Amino acid sequence: NAGVTQTPKFRILKIGQSMTLQCTQDMNHNYMYWYRQDPGMGLKLIYYSVGAGITDKGEVPNGYNVSRSTTEDFPLRLELAAPSQTSVYFCASRTSSGGPYNSPLHFGNGTRLTVT
Amino acid sequence: QQQVKQSPQSLIVQKGGISIINCAYENTAFDYFPWYQQFPGKGPALLIAIRPDVSEKKEGRFTISFNKSAKQFSLHIMDSQPGDSATYFCAASTANDYKLSFGAGTTVTVRA
Repeated sequence: NAGVTQTPKFRILKIGQSMTLQCTQDMNHNYMYWYRQDPGMGLKLIYYSVGAGITDKGEVPNGYNVSRSTTEDFPLRLELAAPSQTSVYFCASRTSSGGPYNSPLHFGNGTRLTVT
Repeated sequence: QQQVKQSPQSLIVQKGGISIINCAYENTAFDYFPWYQQFPGKGPALLIAIRPDVSEKKEGRFTISFNKSAKQFSLHIMDSQPGDSATYFCAASTANDYKLSFGAGTTVTVRA
């Protein structure tokens, strides 16, 4: 059981370049999330999705885009990368049944992105 | 602004000691309070969670204490072990909201 898989693990981008961070889950979870983690700042929600074809903004969506064409995949797109997007990015998923107490978030192992 | 405030930012404890991490929140609609544990190079993983209808929940050496009137909750790690060295995040959400608000994290180092 792979859980939540993120690729790549590491990436260095030049300012202005674009890239897509991949996330896939094999648990048939409806809800998927993208967080960024910066030192001393905790986890900030970028975008989330409650099912295929449905996405919504989180706390810090500027500079990012997402799509959700299947239940399994939730890619995060960075257009025109900026140094402020240097961070560790985590994808997470959870089931929608049973309420938050019975459906914990499952995280991937992250993508460490550096923009120089 | 941070909806959940966590302290301290880091702590060092001797093996066998007690680690205490505190969190405070403002939104009285929050009713789900999980703690996540993160090891270097890994994603966070759920450690323990509590609802506000109980004041304490214990799982092994980990205990959550909850004070609804003060809008505070804390994680106690009893008999701390080197393997507990990790970053711990508190979080909160409402019953119908599947979006968690996370604290800033506490890095715990347990010295052997």
